[in-house]
Amino acid sequence: AQSVTQLGSHVSVSEGALVLLRCNYSSSVPPYLFWYVQYPNQGLQLLLKYTTGATLVKGINGFEAEFKKSETSFHLTKPSAHMSDAAEYFCAVSFSSGSARQLTFGSGTQLTVLP
Amino acid sequence: DGGITQSPKYLFRKEGQNVTLSCEQNLNHDAMYWYRQDPGQGLRLIYYSQIVNDFQKGDIAEGYSVSREKKESFPLTVTSAQKNPTAFYLCASSTIGQGYVDTQYFGPGTRLTVL
Repeated sequence: AQSVTQLGSHVSVSEGALVLLRCNYSSSVPPYLFWYVQYPNQGLQLLLKYTTGATLVKGINGFEAEFKKSETSFHLTKPSAHMSDAAEYFCAVSFSSGSARQLTFGSGTQLTVLP
Repeated sequence: DGGITQSPKYLFRKEGQNVTLSCEQNLNHDAMYWYRQDPGQGLRLIYYSQIVNDFQKGDIAEGYSVSREKKESFPLTVTSAQKNPTAFYLCASSTIGQGYVDTQYFGPGTRLTVL
């Protein structure tokens, strides 16, 4: 069975500081991994995804994530936080069910950016 | 613009009433999904559908029902049998794969409150 663990339900950083949001997964097959961002009372927006190939994935808004198979991790980073990055972030792992793929989500990390 | 619309944005229900949440997509996606979001629990899958007139239960289907009469539409009914229906409901859609990852795209959500 697939599962996702996001370490830290709340993370606070200062504006301009490094953002690091942690995600570890378990999967019995090679995983497809996603990061989504959610602003208050809105839907989820895809930040980036890992399928195959290059393990360092670049996404929107300056975010990137590195797939590390040996550590079963897919941590999200951004070199310099901006006030507009304050949101909730979800890591997800994808698996096949019939012909459709399903997602298993982590419980989310709320990012606060301090001025 | 292509996308997913959900209506209404806010919905209030009295105990014992059934309510129906609307989800429409114009992305020509075959698969559609309904998730429930509660604080600190991430997203949980209620139902999904891969083709018109067919759908499967997700992890928390009890107290919910769906239909898929048209490719573009996947309404969710929250019945009076759902014990704790107050939550944020998200609809998503995706392609169904031919060897590539089917990214799920999300609507803006409906917040349901039971009075």
